[in-house]
Amino acid sequence: DAKTTQPNSMESNEEEPVHLPCNHSTISGTDYIHWYRQLPSQGPEYVIHGLTSNVNNRMASLAIAEDRKSSTLILHRATLRDAAVYYCILRDVEETSGSRLTFGEGTQLTVNP
Amino acid sequence: KAGVTQTPRYLIKTRGQQVTLSCSPISGHRSVSWYQQTPGQGLQFLFEYFSETQRNKGNFPGRFSGRQFSNSRSEMNVSTLELGDSALYLCASSSIGVLNEKLFFGSGTQLSVL
Repeated sequence: DAKTTQPNSMESNEEEPVHLPCNHSTISGTDYIHWYRQLPSQGPEYVIHGLTSNVNNRMASLAIAEDRKSSTLILHRATLRDAAVYYCILRDVEETSGSRLTFGEGTQLTVNP
Repeated sequence: KAGVTQTPRYLIKTRGQQVTLSCSPISGHRSVSWYQQTPGQGLQFLFEYFSETQRNKGNFPGRFSGRQFSNSRSEMNVSTLELGDSALYLCASSSIGVLNEKLFFGSGTQLSVL
C-alpha cells in the first residue's frame, strides 16, 4: 500500500471544527482513502472513505484534493468524545483482502473543553 | 446487534507458555481478521479468515496461528511466548471482507508476557 503522512498530534477546542490533514503523494489511481479512529482503550472505528469526490456522513466529511495527493478529514463540531488517534489509510482496489489495513502512526487529536 | 466480542480482556502469561485468544464476530459476519498493536510497531495485520479458511497472512512467525469455526467465531494461538509478544490483540469482523467494506473492531485482549 502507498504511504501516508500525518501530523503526530493536533489540538482543538470543543464545538469548533477540526481539519485533520493527510498527505499521500504516491497515491495510485486505484487507491481509496480510508479513515479510522481509535478512542482510548478501544479498537479502531471506521470513520469514512472516498476515491475522488468529497464525501459526507454523520460522523465527518472527507475533502480530497483534485490531484488526490492529499486529503482532509473534517469534524464539523468537535466534542470531547472525538479525542482519539486518527488514521489515514490507502486501500488498493486490487488488494486481495479487504480486511488487510496498513495503519501508520496516525494523528493524536486532543479536544480541549 | 452485539458488537465484536473478544475474550479474555486481559491475560498474563510467562515466557515459553502458549495462549489462545477468542473472537466472536458480529452476527452474520463471515470475515474475521486479527491485528497486533504495540507502542513500537503500531497496528499490524496478522491474518484473516473467511469461511473457515485463512485468506491472507501478515509477516509474523509461525508461532502465531489461528482458526475459524463454522459459526465464524475465531481463535488465535501464540505458542512459545516471548516478551515481545506483549501487545494488544485486536479482532475485526466484516460481512465478506471485500475492499471498502467497513471493519468492526473489538476492544482487544491485552496480553502481558512476563
